[in-house]
Amino acid sequence: QKEVEQDPGPLSVPEGAIVSLNCTYSNSAFQYFMWYRQYSRKGPELLMYTYSSGNKEDGRFTAQVDKSSKYISLFIRDSQPSDSATYLCAMSPIQGAQKLVFGQGTRLTINP
Amino acid sequence: GAGVSQSPSNKVTEKGKDVELRCDPISGHTALYWYRQSLGQGLEFLIYFQGNSAPDKSGLPSDRFSAERTGGSVSTLTIQRTQQEDSAVYLCASSAQRGGGETQYFGPGTRLLVL
Repeated sequence: QKEVEQDPGPLSVPEGAIVSLNCTYSNSAFQYFMWYRQYSRKGPELLMYTYSSGNKEDGRFTAQVDKSSKYISLFIRDSQPSDSATYLCAMSPIQGAQKLVFGQGTRLTINP
Repeated sequence: GAGVSQSPSNKVTEKGKDVELRCDPISGHTALYWYRQSLGQGLEFLIYFQGNSAPDKSGLPSDRFSAERTGGSVSTLTIQRTQQEDSAVYLCASSAQRGGGETQYFGPGTRLLVL
């Protein structure tokens, strides 16, 4: 079993929809949780960064962590075609740890 | 400012040949990482360099893989006697060692195809 599980999709939704992306993990030592966005033929870029449980909001994006369930989510409100990309969750047990553990990535398409 | 750059962007090679992949990190970043991303898979950690410390090679899949970082800046990942299963995107990232945490900034990757 992988340490981090993420549904690879693909996920296709209409423009304006609310998107929910999720990851589950097995290592209870993970404390730092990240979401990366990767456009086609580009490297991943950090989108959201959260510590421990709780919510964090940044514009149309909300990251949610539930450590008791070992479950993290990324919500995208008012989705736009420019949000079409692969979204990767990543986590580590300590801040700035050298080895991030990534999920498989979910390929998301927002249809105009 | 310049981000992380990698070269070549694409590489096609024959099975059994050696390849070298290059990474130029962001200027001033002391930490450098190599990851491998296979089709439909997440990123797999390969190796980590931090300053002058010994690298963390725990992610290298076999002794055919090696990496070096010269002068604390540019890094080269070498794959000897390439196999078809080595085909993947090889991503490099760098980060600044600060007390407040390290965001990893990724390059665009080198797409390696072993025929």
